[in-house]
Amino acid sequence: QVQLAESGGGVVRPGGSLRLSCAASGFSFSSYGMHWVRQAPGKGLEWVTFIHSDGSNENYADSVKGRFTISRDNSKKTLYLEMNSVRTEDTAVYYCAFASGWYLGVNGMDVWGQGTTVTVSS
Amino acid sequence: DIVMTQTPLSLSVTPGQPASISCKSSQSLLHSDGKTYLYWYLQKPGQSPQLLIYEASSRFSGVPNRFSGSGSGTDYTLKVSRVEAEDVGVYYCMQGLHLPITFGQGTRLEIK
Repeated sequence: QVQLAESGGGVVRPGGSLRLSCAASGFSFSSYGMHWVRQAPGKGLEWVTFIHSDGSNENYADSVKGRFTISRDNSKKTLYLEMNSVRTEDTAVYYCAFASGWYLGVNGMDVWGQGTTVTVSS
Repeated sequence: DIVMTQTPLSLSVTPGQPASISCKSSQSLLHSDGKTYLYWYLQKPGQSPQLLIYEASSRFSGVPNRFSGSGSGTDYTLKVSRVEAEDVGVYYCMQGLHLPITFGQGTRLEIK
């Protein structure tokens, strides 16, 4: 079945770097745009970034622009989030997600991974 | 950025009773293609968000028909006709019209 599995979370010091991965299975990964959404402890959902199906275009939230980079390897069916110059406010559960049906619109995410936890702390 | 404002921020409902959540956007979510890019999600405790409603009023596959969405322009509502114990969690509205995608603050629903 359609699945997304995030990995790569952990504890990182402020100013450090981390790379998250999202492994896709059960669908044609290269046909879909992909999102990262995060949730700080006890807080609401915050959209982070989006990449088009062929990797040709990316968009970022202002809070991460210039520090985070989204990328994908369609041959490996894997989405990435490179996190640089991390801050304590980047501490969150990071989800990858996408809209599996054209009728939902590219931003209507109906498939979500289970999330991976990033903790930024000294 | 489009600001999404939900009210109330918390609800305590007796099983079998209705519940209603309001979501207001800072600008219309109607696209030139005729679609309204307003979504509702439920995040149950310890789980990832799950899609309930898309295009403001279309129920997503597998969602019980006690959930309904309505609204247009900048004002939207999610209604649960008869709340059940499994409906507990945090409900979010989300706009997908323009990037950055933005969410409401969330409404926590608990059972009395």
